[in-house]
Amino acid sequence: QSALTQPPSASGSPGQSVTISCTGTSSDVGGYNYVSWYQQHPGKAPKLMIYEVNKRPSGVPDRFSGSKSGNTASLTVSGLQAEDEADYYCSSYADSNNFPYVFGTGTKVTVL
Amino acid sequence: EVQLVESGGGLVQPGGSLRLSCAASGFTFSSSWMDWVRQAPGKGLVWVSRINSDGSGTTYADSVKGRFTISRDNAKNTLFLQMNSLTAEDTAVYYCVRDRGWGSFDYWGQGALVTVSS
Repeated sequence: QSALTQPPSASGSPGQSVTISCTGTSSDVGGYNYVSWYQQHPGKAPKLMIYEVNKRPSGVPDRFSGSKSGNTASLTVSGLQAEDEADYYCSSYADSNNFPYVFGTGTKVTVL
Repeated sequence: EVQLVESGGGLVQPGGSLRLSCAASGFTFSSSWMDWVRQAPGKGLVWVSRINSDGSGTTYADSVKGRFTISRDNAKNTLFLQMNSLTAEDTAVYYCVRDRGWGSFDYWGQGALVTVSS
């Protein structure tokens, strides 16, 4: 199972928006509405930010939103803040007994 | 407060074995599916293994199948990962995670570093 494809980096100024893409196949992203997004600060464990494409866990600011079209999912961070600078990973359910879950390659978001 | 606390990481020689433990608290461990996810230094996240709530069903990534064994003790709220025949490619931080379903991991431990080197 290949990793989902994300751009290596993205950036924006404080207050702006940044959108990260996550491209898979019809066997994962395109086949199910089970895409999640994680935020990881250096040296820390990842944190769930979005699940089931566009749902936010309790406590996650509504500046974070998710969407999906075909085999590509997207995470948008609106109103960028300094603390949003982190690595972001997508993941998808893949309905394979050998590899039910696949992660993306990761995107480093920089707040300029 | 939810806590997942991994232990058992360390330095091991190629071909050696290591057993990771993950002590859970603050949620109903016995009804939760649990997974291990790893991250090699400077690299991305990779799913390793999954176990269902009563321990009767397990799944492994091809890269660890036959070498790693996931298990759990619901009486002690503890998850395990037995790792055998370790290679340098297994060097990573191993995270214990709660699987809320369909690949959504809502609780993460702080990670246990496993270094395979001679």
